[in-house]
Amino acid sequence: GENVEQHPSTLSVQEGDSAVIKCTYSDSASNYFPWYKQELGKRPQLIIDIRSNVGEKKDQRIAVTLNKTAKHFSLHITETQPEDSAVYFCAASSWGMNTGFQKLVFGTGTRLLVSP
Amino acid sequence: NAGVTQTPKFQVLKTGQSMTLQCAQDMNHNSMYWYRQDPGMGLRLIYYSASEGTTDKGEVPNGYNVSRLNKREFSLRLESAAPSQTSVYFCASSDQNQPSYNEQFFGPGTRLTVL
Repeated sequence: GENVEQHPSTLSVQEGDSAVIKCTYSDSASNYFPWYKQELGKRPQLIIDIRSNVGEKKDQRIAVTLNKTAKHFSLHITETQPEDSAVYFCAASSWGMNTGFQKLVFGTGTRLLVSP
Repeated sequence: NAGVTQTPKFQVLKTGQSMTLQCAQDMNHNSMYWYRQDPGMGLRLIYYSASEGTTDKGEVPNGYNVSRLNKREFSLRLESAAPSQTSVYFCASSDQNQPSYNEQFFGPGTRLTVL
């Protein structure tokens, strides 16, 4: 089955710096890669996703890149702000040919701390 | 719309007790999921229901059972709670249409402690 590794586990940056979180996956059939943000005590929420037919996707200060050959994808946050402090989870998914269903496998999370 | 709701928010059990975690969604989604979240381990899938009337095991199903009561509701039952089941439990739902991959919406979570 799919295995997703995420690094680093914690990341501390100064406000205004950039932050990069990296994930690798094992199943070459995976074709959907979402990123979720979870603030302390809250539920995970989708912030950006990318499909395997695209190499990069941007949404204001956040971007995700995908390298299918190397089986890794990354989240980039520019001009970080204190409100970006949270735990970020990557995930990978493939469409099950037998089940006709998509399941997500999550990474272990990165705690991002943005200091003013 | 309330989205995905879960009850209870907090629960303390003694080893061997049973309980059911309730989840409901009002987005007319066909698929629902139960995850557990433990420190340093991310979100792990316990059970899922691809559509009303079907349920399947996920990554960590041992010690749990589920019921897809109807399209809106998906419950998770612990028959004999163990300290290893101390965790935060999240329910999620999505509307899957091949070949689209749709966002999973999460509930607020249930923090369960088993003594």
